[in-house]
Amino acid sequence: AQRVTQPEKLLSVFKGAPVELKCNYSYSGSPELFWYVQYSRQRLQLLLRHISRESIKGFTADLNKGETSFHLKKPFAQEEDSAMYYCALSVSGGSNYKLTFGKGTLLTVNP
Amino acid sequence: DADVTQTPRNRITKTGKRIMLECSQTKGHDRMYWYRQDPGLGLRLIYYSFDVKDINKGEISDGYSVSRQAQAKFSLSLESAIPNQTALYFCATSDLFVNEQFFGPGTRLTVL
Repeated sequence: AQRVTQPEKLLSVFKGAPVELKCNYSYSGSPELFWYVQYSRQRLQLLLRHISRESIKGFTADLNKGETSFHLKKPFAQEEDSAMYYCALSVSGGSNYKLTFGKGTLLTVNP
Repeated sequence: DADVTQTPRNRITKTGKRIMLECSQTKGHDRMYWYRQDPGLGLRLIYYSFDVKDINKGEISDGYSVSRQAQAKFSLSLESAIPNQTALYFCATSDLFVNEQFFGPGTRLTVL
């Protein structure tokens, strides 16, 4: 079965500092990886997905199949980045289009 | 704008009561999902439905049931609520060929 691990429950950085939220996954096939974000009192929303290779709000994430990782990075954190971040994995094929979520990392960016 | 809505947004109930949470979407998506969110546990899938005639159990379906009344509506029921079902419940939808899921605003359920 697939699994997503986010080793940090809490991450605190200062404004302007680099930030990296870690995500590791276990799956023997070719997964699709996502980062979802939940700002305070808002619904979850997609931040980025690995197949699009975009930079959203200054965040990037690269899929490293050798290390089975999909870490989220931003070079200069902003206070508005404070939120809960979830890494998620999708195993596609047949009728199986489900997301498996990690337990989340709460990012706090201090002024 | 096409959206995913949930009713009620907040509910307090007592142990043993039957509760229904409703989800509606105007996105025209075939797939719908119910999750619960607990602090430190992230989101866990309760049930999912890929079309009106398709219902599947997720990882934590015990104590829950669902009904897909139409493409746009997917309801979650707690037949006899218990305190450890106190959580934030999210509905989500996705299109047939795209894995991105769109979430509703959540229902905060408290079982006393």
